[in-house]
Amino acid sequence: DGGITQSPKYLFRKEGQNVTLSCEQNLNHDAMYWYRQDPGQGLRLIYYSQIVNDFQKGDIAEGYSVSREKKESFPLTVTSAQKNPTAFYLCASSWGRGEKLFFGSGTQLSVL
Amino acid sequence: AQTVTQSQPEMSVQEAETVTLSCTYDTSESDYYLFWYKQPPSRQMILVIRQEAYKQQNATENRFSVNFQKAAKSFSLKISDSQLGDAAMYFCASVSNSGYALNFGKGTSLLVTP
Repeated sequence: DGGITQSPKYLFRKEGQNVTLSCEQNLNHDAMYWYRQDPGQGLRLIYYSQIVNDFQKGDIAEGYSVSREKKESFPLTVTSAQKNPTAFYLCASSWGRGEKLFFGSGTQLSVL
Repeated sequence: AQTVTQSQPEMSVQEAETVTLSCTYDTSESDYYLFWYKQPPSRQMILVIRQEAYKQQNATENRFSVNFQKAAKSFSLKISDSQLGDAAMYFCASVSNSGYALNFGKGTSLLVTP
């Protein structure tokens, strides 16, 4: 059953702590994305990756980092430099340029 | 960069009636794609419809159809015979043919009343 798996569903971060959100896909898609969703703000792009070992900053990359060591995986680290991390994080993947995005079920990150 | 504007934060429709959600976009590209996504209370993003800008024919998917006006840069979504399950946030999005990541509007919350 193909799809995108995000984990965990809920995550809590303490002050000064880095946390990593997992995203795995078995759709054989080349491109993967991370979006942040805040109430009333729509979806904003954090990072995206067109291919393994390559990624590009989106509109709100500050305080976040990513890696793309495998085609199937695109983890997002929320660093302590991100001062307002509370949000809903969505991972997505696609075949390539101009194609529709397939989304995971999201991770809700909150600050303790 | 492409920007997408949804001017209606909230809309309401009665069951079985028709509703139209508005979306305008700004792009300097000649070739691009437009999308409508639905996000129900589960927060799972679901593709509703996709339109290729080079196609003049409006895309349709069952009860969902779009009115694509390229010159006006308008891309509205019409939902016919509204059902309770249509209640959700609806996001309009665009991407150029040379780009990867979709640019999303801020969304319209659709309420469906019995």
